[in-house]
Amino acid sequence: QKEVEQNSGPLSVPEGAIASLNCTYSDRGSQSFFWYRQYSGKSPELIMFIYSNGDKEDGRFTAQLNKASQYVSLLIRDSQPSDSATYLCAVRRSGGGADGLTFGKGTHLIIQP
Amino acid sequence: DAEITQSPRHKITETGRQVTLACHQTWNHNNMFWYRQDLGHGLRLIHYSYGVQDTNKGEVSDGYSVSRSNTEDLPLTLESAASSQTSVYFCASSSGWNTEAFFGQGTRLTVV
Repeated sequence: QKEVEQNSGPLSVPEGAIASLNCTYSDRGSQSFFWYRQYSGKSPELIMFIYSNGDKEDGRFTAQLNKASQYVSLLIRDSQPSDSATYLCAVRRSGGGADGLTFGKGTHLIIQP
Repeated sequence: DAEITQSPRHKITETGRQVTLACHQTWNHNNMFWYRQDLGHGLRLIHYSYGVQDTNKGEVSDGYSVSRSNTEDLPLTLESAASSQTSVYFCASSSGWNTEAFFGQGTRLTVV
């Protein structure tokens, strides 16, 4: 059974600091990794995706992937109160087709002004 | 702008009734998905479709069905609504197998 694990939080970070969100996955066949942000009562919105080992940076966000350790993380630099939300980690197995994403339960992030 | 829309946004129905939730996307995406989101479970895949006339079961498909008669729409039907199906339902679409999925606004369904 494919599983994606996240610490549910809440994770409290001071404004301006770095927020570090972590995710582990059980399926070694997973090839694509996504981070979504979800505000309360809203739909998930994509922040970043990563396919290869290493780091991928986009503005204040950096995704890190280590397939050997089955670990993916999201760093948010210069955290802002507007970053307060639930962050969902999602993975997709390779092999073609479109067999949906497997989501973790999410980490609730609170940025304290 | 291209988008994905769900209707209705809120629905209250009685146990045993048939309910259909609509999902319409204008991106011309081949892949469409239905998820449900519940506290303590996160997002779970119900059904998905690779294209017209194609449908596949996801993790929690019992009691649900979908049909894909065109590229734009993937309606989700609850054959006989049960209280356990009270949830928030999200439709999503993607252009390819390795691309991100875009989500609709969600439908909050309450079965009483």
